Amino acid sequence: GDSVTQMEGPVTLSEEAFLTINCTYTATGYPSLFWYVQYPGEGLQLLLKATKADDKGSNKGFEATYRKETTSFHLEKGSVQVSDSAVYFCALRVTQGGSEKLVFGKGTKLTVNP
Amino acid sequence: DSGVTQTPKHLITATGQRVTLRCSPRSGDLSVYWYQQSLDQGLQFLIQYYNGEERAKGNILERFSAQQFPDLHSELNLSSLELGDSALYFCASSAGTGIVNTIYFGEGSWLTVV
Repeated sequence: GDSVTQMEGPVTLSEEAFLTINCTYTATGYPSLFWYVQYPGEGLQLLLKATKADDKGSNKGFEATYRKETTSFHLEKGSVQVSDSAVYFCALRVTQGGSEKLVFGKGTKLTVNP
Repeated sequence: DSGVTQTPKHLITATGQRVTLRCSPRSGDLSVYWYQQSLDQGLQFLIQYYNGEERAKGNILERFSAQQFPDLHSELNLSSLELGDSALYFCASSAGTGIVNTIYFGEGSWLTVV
């Protein structure tokens, strides 16, 4: 079935460090891919998305490229800030007929220290 | 603010009891989703409704039920509660289904079963 695997956390970085969070997926067809972020005590927010192969999603300095050949959608940021501390979820959208759902990875907790 | 409103934000109840979680989708959104987030299971898709009609069912227990009303708000009913039902329950909404539709999440309802 459809699934998402993302790197286990937690990840701890110093401010201005480079961030990579790996995400790979298994899906039939060509799903849309997403990164959601959950800040402490808050709900899920869409960070970025890509709907087809080679698309690059970007937002707030974060980027991820939809790689069909490696079934990956790794999240990167060149210089993290303390305010980026959160849990990051990779997800794919499964659409079948009129039904739709997001399948999430287990989440990666990022802590950025000053 | 995603525009998806969930009530209550926090709820503490005893085992064996029944609770109802309520969700108001973003204005104009026809599709509503329910997810459960727990430490051991991660983010699990429960159910999707589209314009009052059930469209997809995930890992939803028989003790749980949901519905979407003509005004498009949705309720998730949890009955015969067990300790393991303690979790963060998210509601999400989207305009419809398909590539162009983004799924927006509410801030969640924290349920604690004691």
